[in-house]
Amino acid sequence: GENVEQHPSTLSVQEGDSAVIKCTYSDSASNYFPWYKQELGKGPQLIIDIRSNVGEKKDQRIAVTLNKTAKHFSLHITETQPEDSAVYFCAATILTGGGNKLTFGTGTQLKVEL
Amino acid sequence: KAGVTQTPRYLIKTRGQQVTLSCSPISGHRSVSWYQQTPGQGLQFLFEYFSETQRNKGNFPGRFSGRQFSNSRSEMNVSTLELGDSALYLCASSGTGRRTGELFFGEGSRLTVL
Repeated sequence: GENVEQHPSTLSVQEGDSAVIKCTYSDSASNYFPWYKQELGKGPQLIIDIRSNVGEKKDQRIAVTLNKTAKHFSLHITETQPEDSAVYFCAATILTGGGNKLTFGTGTQLKVEL
Repeated sequence: KAGVTQTPRYLIKTRGQQVTLSCSPISGHRSVSWYQQTPGQGLQFLFEYFSETQRNKGNFPGRFSGRQFSNSRSEMNVSTLELGDSALYLCASSGTGRRTGELFFGEGSRLTVL
């Protein structure tokens, strides 16, 4: 089955700096790579996703890059703000009409310091 | 539009007991997935239901079971509870169409087994 590794487990940055979280996956058939943000006491929320036919995707201060050859993908957050502090999870799956079964990374605790 | 609702939010059980958790998906969503979240293992997929049928299953023992009703509401049951079953149980629903793949999570049911 799919295995997703995520690094680092904790990340501390100064407000305004950039943050990068990296993930690798094992199943070359995986074609959908979402990123979720989980704030304290809440469920994870999708912040951005990318499909295997795209190499990069941006949404305001957030971007995700995908390298299918190396089987890794990364989340980039620019101009970090205190409200970006949360746990971030990457995930991978083979998205078909047969349902959703995400394999998640172990999470990155991001702390944005003033 | 109401989000995913999980009940109860918190519960305490003792070893050997059983527990039933409930999930009401977003209106119109027919897929409901369940995940177990623990500090050590992260988010692990339990199972997914679609139109009252289990469509995908993770690698959990048979003590973990679920079902889905005709209104798409879902329940999961854990029998013969063990200390290691202490976790946050997250339910997620998803729809179809352009946003297929995106999971909408509830805030979870936190189970403590004593």
